[in-house]
Amino acid sequence: GQSLEQPSEVTAVEGAIVQINCTYQTSGFYGLSWYQQHDGGAPTFLSYNALDGLEETGRFSSFLSRSDSYGYLLLQELQMKDSASYFCAVGAGNNRKLIWGLGTSLAVNP
Amino acid sequence: DTGVSQDPRHKITKRGQNVTFRCDPISEHNRLYWYRQTLGQGPEFLTYFQNEAQLEKSRLLSDRFSAERPKGSFSTLEIQRTEQGDSAMYLCASSLTSGSSYNEQFFGPGTRLTVL
Repeated sequence: GQSLEQPSEVTAVEGAIVQINCTYQTSGFYGLSWYQQHDGGAPTFLSYNALDGLEETGRFSSFLSRSDSYGYLLLQELQMKDSASYFCAVGAGNNRKLIWGLGTSLAVNP
Repeated sequence: DTGVSQDPRHKITKRGQNVTFRCDPISEHNRLYWYRQTLGQGPEFLTYFQNEAQLEKSRLLSDRFSAERPKGSFSTLEIQRTEQGDSAMYLCASSLTSGSSYNEQFFGPGTRLTVL
């Protein structure tokens, strides 16, 4: 089967750095994406990694290691507004459908 | 507004009734997805289209659910004989199908269904 694993919850304080890991097992691989979803809102796209290494977008960075079937989202200088759920998703299969993780709920405390 | 739109935003219905939701994707996006999400869970894949072709329907989905995208533009999701377990947020997303665009889905605001 196809599956993605990520921690269910992470807690951190303002200004800190947090890393959310994602391991995947899929048939075929067409990149790892990260999405953010605030309570009551829809998921919004954050980042995409097709090749190994680190991609940086402002305070957020995403890393991929295809040999380890592993990636992570790194959030720096945490702010209260970063409290949300974060989902990893992998493009897989002949039609490159997105397979979603169950999400990590991040709580940023003062 | 050129984002993904969904209608209605909220729907309350009685058990056994049929409901239909509409999604208008971003105009140039040829791929359209339907998901269902309940509180504290991730998006659960329902079905998706490339242009007007339905590529896959979740095996977890009962025959009461059907979706169409007749002209490759907007899509409708119908649930027949609704059950209380159908209560959820129904999300629509769209994307392009080139390179990294496959992985960048744009979501609509969702339709929240409550079955009484």
